[in-house]
Amino acid sequence: GAGVSQTPSNKVTEKGKYVELRCDPISGHTALYWYRQSLGQGPEFLIYFQGTGAADDSGLPNDRFFAVRPEGSVSTLKIQRTERGDSAVYLCASSLTRSGGENEQFFGPGTRLTVL
Amino acid sequence: AQSVSQHNHHVILSEAASLELGCNYSYGGTVNLFWYVQYPGQHLQLLLKYFSGDPLVKGIKGFEAEFIKSKFSFNLRKPSVQWSDTAEYFCAVNAYSGAGSYQLTFGKGTKLSVIP
Repeated sequence: GAGVSQTPSNKVTEKGKYVELRCDPISGHTALYWYRQSLGQGPEFLIYFQGTGAADDSGLPNDRFFAVRPEGSVSTLKIQRTERGDSAVYLCASSLTRSGGENEQFFGPGTRLTVL
Repeated sequence: AQSVSQHNHHVILSEAASLELGCNYSYGGTVNLFWYVQYPGQHLQLLLKYFSGDPLVKGIKGFEAEFIKSKFSFNLRKPSVQWSDTAEYFCAVNAYSGAGSYQLTFGKGTKLSVIP
């Protein structure tokens, strides 16, 4: 079946602009996660959704970052007033059930965001 | 909060050489441990995982890892590498974050280059 998909694959924007990154999880997966991977680093947790609600947003770096999942499937990560330091690959993952230690997360290909 | 250390940034091996990639984590409670691999141009995919039971776990493509609780380690091994193993390898720990969910914390990754 289809895996996690993310669009766009690449996004170039100017400092101060607003961007939206989209994630389409595996069908039937109720848990959805966003990560950010900066150059030379491993992915860093941003936010976790269980269904429509953000169950854990403790990884969001500041209030310029926001994410939604209105129907419990597709999620959008929104970044306001982008800064050059926001440049990174944004990864989405989904898992079958709620966040738990044993649940395998399946990752999408990521969106590479470049802020000029 | 949990943290993960991967000792090697870049490892270069000849084909048929043996591989061991180090991973240590910091967390006082029960953990679930993962190795993910990212082949060039592809997304992160699960190599193997440890939840409980036998501390020696086997994954895909001949990889294995050993969980040593007393050393807080989860090193990845392969007896004989192939050129196709060239990739970046990430160790990850899934543990309760205290913010309402389990969070997957990644190491910085080890880039493996296998020379034919």
